[in-house]
Amino acid sequence: AQSVTQLGSHVSVSEGALVLLRCNYSSSVPPYLFWYVQYPNQGLQLLLKYTTGATLVKGINGFEAEFKKSETSFHLTKPSAHMSDAAEYFCAVTVYNNNDMRFGAGTRLTVKP
Amino acid sequence: EAGVAQSPRYKIIEKRQSVAFWCNPISGHATLYWYQQILGQGPKLLIQFQNNGVVDDSQLPKDRFSAERLKGVDSTLKIQPAKLEDSAVYLCASSFTATGSGNTIYFGEGSWLTVV
Repeated sequence: AQSVTQLGSHVSVSEGALVLLRCNYSSSVPPYLFWYVQYPNQGLQLLLKYTTGATLVKGINGFEAEFKKSETSFHLTKPSAHMSDAAEYFCAVTVYNNNDMRFGAGTRLTVKP
Repeated sequence: EAGVAQSPRYKIIEKRQSVAFWCNPISGHATLYWYQQILGQGPKLLIQFQNNGVVDDSQLPKDRFSAERLKGVDSTLKIQPAKLEDSAVYLCASSFTATGSGNTIYFGEGSWLTVV
């Protein structure tokens, strides 16, 4: 079955610095990949997703991710962190005709002033 | 557009008691999901409905958990009797159709359960 691994349960950056959250996937067939964000006491909100086509995907709030098949990765980046980006980020994977979306364990992003 | 609605938001019960959570998906979404999110972990699928039929309940602890979506819209998730390890956030989600086509899943704010 498909799965994702998020490297680093906690990432801390300074305001204005580059944000890089790592996600590697495992799938025997072409994957669909997602990044969700969860703010305290709230549900998950979709940041961006990759299904087919362009491998560089742009999402909301200035985030983007690049699908790299050769590296089985889908890392999330943002050029300049903002205090409001502090949250938990989840990478997830599914495949065509498979109903079970698998989530990573999450990465907590802290932004220092 | 209204999002996925869940209630109650918070619930504290004693072990061996029962609890029920309600979910109203986004209008027009045929697929409804219940996820369990234990503190410090990612969400785990418990059950998926397509309209009023169950598509996947392989990870639902059927000895204590049950869920229904009788009219293909609202859904309820019940736990009876609750155990301490059931303490978690129960997230309801919906999508226009199954995730197998790369469709986005939209999540509610969750129902936080504490079993003491």
